Amino acid sequence: DGGITQSPKYLFRKEGQNVTLSCEQNLNHDAMYWYRQDPGQGLRLIYYSQIVNDFQKGDIAEGYSVSREKKESFPLTVTSAQKNPTAFYLCASSNRGGNEKLFFGSGTQLSVL
Amino acid sequence: DAKTTQPPSMDCAEGRAANLPCNHSTISGNEYVYWYRQIHSQGPQYIIHGLKNNETNEMASLIITEDRKSSTLILPHATLRDTAVYYCIVRVRNSGNTPLVFGKGTRLSVIA
Repeated sequence: DGGITQSPKYLFRKEGQNVTLSCEQNLNHDAMYWYRQDPGQGLRLIYYSQIVNDFQKGDIAEGYSVSREKKESFPLTVTSAQKNPTAFYLCASSNRGGNEKLFFGSGTQLSVL
Repeated sequence: DAKTTQPPSMDCAEGRAANLPCNHSTISGNEYVYWYRQIHSQGPQYIIHGLKNNETNEMASLIITEDRKSSTLILPHATLRDTAVYYCIVRVRNSGNTPLVFGKGTRLSVIA
């Protein structure tokens, strides 16, 4: 089955620790995205990538980093510089950058211990 | 991209039609209307999109007013599984620019 997979479903971070959220897709999509969602709020864009080895900052990139070494993978690292990391993180892909039909993963809930 | 306005919440009885409104009075001629929904603790799911003609698919119908300043997403026979947050988004299609912006949407509660 084609789709987009996020792991883990739940993640806990200690103070000062970096953590990495995984996002893998087998849809052969060029573009991938990371959004953050806080309770009762809409989605806010963290980073996006329209092609391998290239990515752009979204609206709230501070405290996060990404890489896009392979077409299928777009991992997100939440660094210790992100002071309020507790949120629901969603990864998405589309068959080209700016395409409006996004396919989302099931999300990762990150909490701070 | 044009701004949209949606009511924060709505209720609908199970089996009845759910009509979700969206106001986009500043929409420009080349901007499409897109609808997504997000069931609790899941990623959003694409529903439907349209430019000026009414559209229908297996999930829903989209009615766009003649002046295109507002639209309505219709779920013809709502079920409990349709309880979700529904997002209305307006943007140029295949613009190749920045990704979709999701607002707070409308929280639809389908009641038995």
